[in-house]
Amino acid sequence: QQQVKQSPQSLIVQKGGISIINCAYENTAFDYFPWYQQFPGKGPALLIAIRPDVSEKKEGRFTISFNKSAKQFSLHIMDSQPGDSATYFCAAWEGAQKLVFGQGTRLTINP
Amino acid sequence: GAGVSQSPSNKVTEKGKDVELRCDPISGHTALYWYRQSLGQGLEFLIYFQGNSAPDKSGLPSDRFSAERTGGSVSTLTIQRTQQEDSAVYLCASSLVGQGEETQYFGPGTRLLVL
Repeated sequence: QQQVKQSPQSLIVQKGGISIINCAYENTAFDYFPWYQQFPGKGPALLIAIRPDVSEKKEGRFTISFNKSAKQFSLHIMDSQPGDSATYFCAAWEGAQKLVFGQGTRLTINP
Repeated sequence: GAGVSQSPSNKVTEKGKDVELRCDPISGHTALYWYRQSLGQGLEFLIYFQGNSAPDKSGLPSDRFSAERTGGSVSTLTIQRTQQEDSAVYLCASSLVGQGEETQYFGPGTRLLVL
């Protein structure tokens, strides 16, 4: 059972465009939602994170939008660059001990 | 200091053999996690160590999988009698104390191929 559902599986965006990745969850006990970025051959690295009492968080070109009532959250990458090409994972913190990850989105930014 | 390191970076084994994967966490981090990343899938939690507490083994897929953490630092994930479906990237992560909003720092992973 996938507790965090992520879409799309893959995404191609032109340079300068906006990349949008969506996630949905069911467990209302989740209380922290990070996004991780993974380049080929590397482990995931924390990109940005949000708590459910905040509707939006922005760090540079990266923004998380959070809709608590809909149990959905999304990552927006503004002015997408070829260097943003990577796999992105949303995640949710469950209880005290573990992250639950979405399936991942492979993002390709065409120059 | 150095980040999380894992060894080997790649491992090819034959079905039925045992394998050991090693993780060196960031110095001073008391929490250590193992995840499995299968092709096209997200990261699947396997096991969690926090200090001297009993590990959370709830994610281990079968009794062929086991892990230990010696001296609160290095961890070894062992897969006995490997099967082809065990082929995946095994990722290790560590964090300072293992609390919800802490950043988990991931190693580069071990790519396991079972023939």
